[in-house]
Amino acid sequence: EPEVTQTPSHQVTQMGQEVILRCVPISNHLYFYWYRQILGQKVEFLVSFYNNEISEKSEIFDDQFSVERPDGSNFTLKIRSTKLEDSAMYFCASRGVGTEAFFGQGTRLTVV
Amino acid sequence: EDQVTQSPEALRLQEGESSSLNCSYTVSGLRGLFWYRQDPGKGPEFLFTLYSAGEEKEKERLKATLTKKESFLHITAPKPEDSATYLCAVLRQGGKLIFGQGTELSVKP
Repeated sequence: EPEVTQTPSHQVTQMGQEVILRCVPISNHLYFYWYRQILGQKVEFLVSFYNNEISEKSEIFDDQFSVERPDGSNFTLKIRSTKLEDSAMYFCASRGVGTEAFFGQGTRLTVV
Repeated sequence: EDQVTQSPEALRLQEGESSSLNCSYTVSGLRGLFWYRQDPGKGPEFLFTLYSAGEEKEKERLKATLTKKESFLHITAPKPEDSATYLCAVLRQGGKLIFGQGTELSVKP
């Protein structure tokens, strides 16, 4: 069964460092998402991506964040200068036209 | 403003004690409503999609229903392995998927 794959599963980084979280969406899907979940809190929308561009982003997704689909298969989330409050689980999801979104197992980001 | 609200926040049941979880929503241009199950430290696992009022879906002990303003996830004779957080999400026009805060279900033997 096709699945969304995220790497790494856990990333520890120093405050102020750049991190790149990677995702391999399901191959024939067209819509891609990044979500964040701070421990014990709700799943928060960060950004949606369609047709090689951002279709919508939340107020959380400020200039420190960027997304790319560099090679037609990977989908990355970059945080340029991490802050302590960026510590969270980050989930990638993908969706085909008119179908449900499937999520990866997440990357736990710890900023120290 | 688009909003998805789930209730209760937490629910404790005895094994075999049936109950329902609620998801109420206000969204412009609803394209679909999804239910997910999330275990601690894991990603949301897809359960159901509902597209129109009156639609129902079933899977084992779970049944999801949809009206114009809310959805219910009915759990019949739950088992301890049903313990998880259940998330409701709405897909609105434009492709954004908006989550509720979840209901944490605990089923005791």
